[in-house]
Amino acid sequence: GDSVTQMEGPVTLSEEAFLTINCTYTATGYPSLFWYVQYPGEGLQLLLKATKADDKGSNKGFEATYRKETTSFHLEKGSVQVSDSAVYFCALLTDSWGKLQFGAGTQVVVTP
Amino acid sequence: DADVTQTPRNRITKTGKRIMLECSQTKGHDRMYWYRQDPGLGLRLIYYSFDVKDINKGEISDGYSVSRQAQAKFSLSLESAIPNQTALYFCATSGPGAPNEQYFGPGTRLTVT
Repeated sequence: GDSVTQMEGPVTLSEEAFLTINCTYTATGYPSLFWYVQYPGEGLQLLLKATKADDKGSNKGFEATYRKETTSFHLEKGSVQVSDSAVYFCALLTDSWGKLQFGAGTQVVVTP
Repeated sequence: DADVTQTPRNRITKTGKRIMLECSQTKGHDRMYWYRQDPGLGLRLIYYSFDVKDINKGEISDGYSVSRQAQAKFSLSLESAIPNQTALYFCATSGPGAPNEQYFGPGTRLTVT
């Protein structure tokens, strides 16, 4: 079945450091891929998405490129801030009705 | 006001009790979902509904039931709560124009003792 694998956390960084969170997937067909972010005490929010191979999603300084050849969708940010501390979820959609398959989530902690 | 609201936000209950978690949305979306979040497991789909008359089981529906009382309301019930149902529960909605973007409520933290 479809699945998403993310790197385990927590990932601890200093402010202004470079962030990468790895995400790989297994799916039949050609899924759409997403990154959601969960700030402390809140629900999930869509951060960015890509719907086909080689698409790059971007938002709030974060980027991820849909790599079909490596079945990956790694999240990157060049200079993190304390406010980026959150849990990040990679997810895929293979069902046209909108049922998402989530990864386990990666906690990111950014220190001043 | 929040577009997707959940009540209660926190609940402690005892094994064997029936409990209902409620979700309301003002986004006018047809599709609604219930997930549970457990550490290290991400979010797993419990039930989903594409309109008032269409309700479907997700990957972990055993021990749960749902009711879609109206387009805007989707309730999750635990018929007889057990400790391994202790988790964070999220409701989400999505609309027909962008089925891939889901909007989440703030979550309900449920503890079963």
